[in-house]
Amino acid sequence: AQSVAQPEDQVNVAEGNPLTVKCTYSVSGNPYLFWYVQYPNRGLQFLLKYITGDNLVKGSYGFEAEFNKSQTSFHLKKPSALVSDSALYFCAVRATASKLTFGTGTRLQVTL
Amino acid sequence: EAQVTQNPRYLITVTGKKLTVTCSQNMNHEYMSWYRQDPGLGLRQIYYSMNVEVTDKGDVPEGYKVSRKEKRNFPLILESPSPNQTSLYFCASSPWTGANEKLFFGSGTQLSVL
Repeated sequence: AQSVAQPEDQVNVAEGNPLTVKCTYSVSGNPYLFWYVQYPNRGLQFLLKYITGDNLVKGSYGFEAEFNKSQTSFHLKKPSALVSDSALYFCAVRATASKLTFGTGTRLQVTL
Repeated sequence: EAQVTQNPRYLITVTGKKLTVTCSQNMNHEYMSWYRQDPGLGLRQIYYSMNVEVTDKGDVPEGYKVSRKEKRNFPLILESPSPNQTSLYFCASSPWTGANEKLFFGSGTQLSVL
């Protein structure tokens, strides 16, 4: 069975500082990995994905994520956080089957 | 405008009264799916569909039914709702190719079962 772990319920960071939201996964076979963001009153939106190729993936709003096969991780990063980045972030994984499994989510709080 | 439309946005019902949450997409996507979001549990997949007349169970299918008779529509049916199905529900669709794969979500349906 495939699974996703987001070990932090909440991440707090000051505006301008780098941020990392952690994600580890477990699948059989090659993973397809995704990050989605849920802004208050704006629904869920796609941020970025890893299918194959470069381990460093760049996405929307200046976010990026690094696929690390040996550590089975796909951490989300941004060099300089903005208050407007405050939201709920979900990591998701899919193996060769069509079922997509999400993590429990990490709330990012960026303060001035 | 490309979108996934869910209706209704809010629904309050009573135990045992059958209900349907509609979902429609205008992007000609092959893949559609339903999720429920509960505090501390994240998003859990209920059912998904790879194409017309092709549906399969996700992680939490008990108590739900779906159908995919047309490519654009993927309704979620609760034949006999129970209070533990009180949740925020999301429909989503996606093109089914690796390069283009990403979910487009509806605005959500907040369901309360009394």
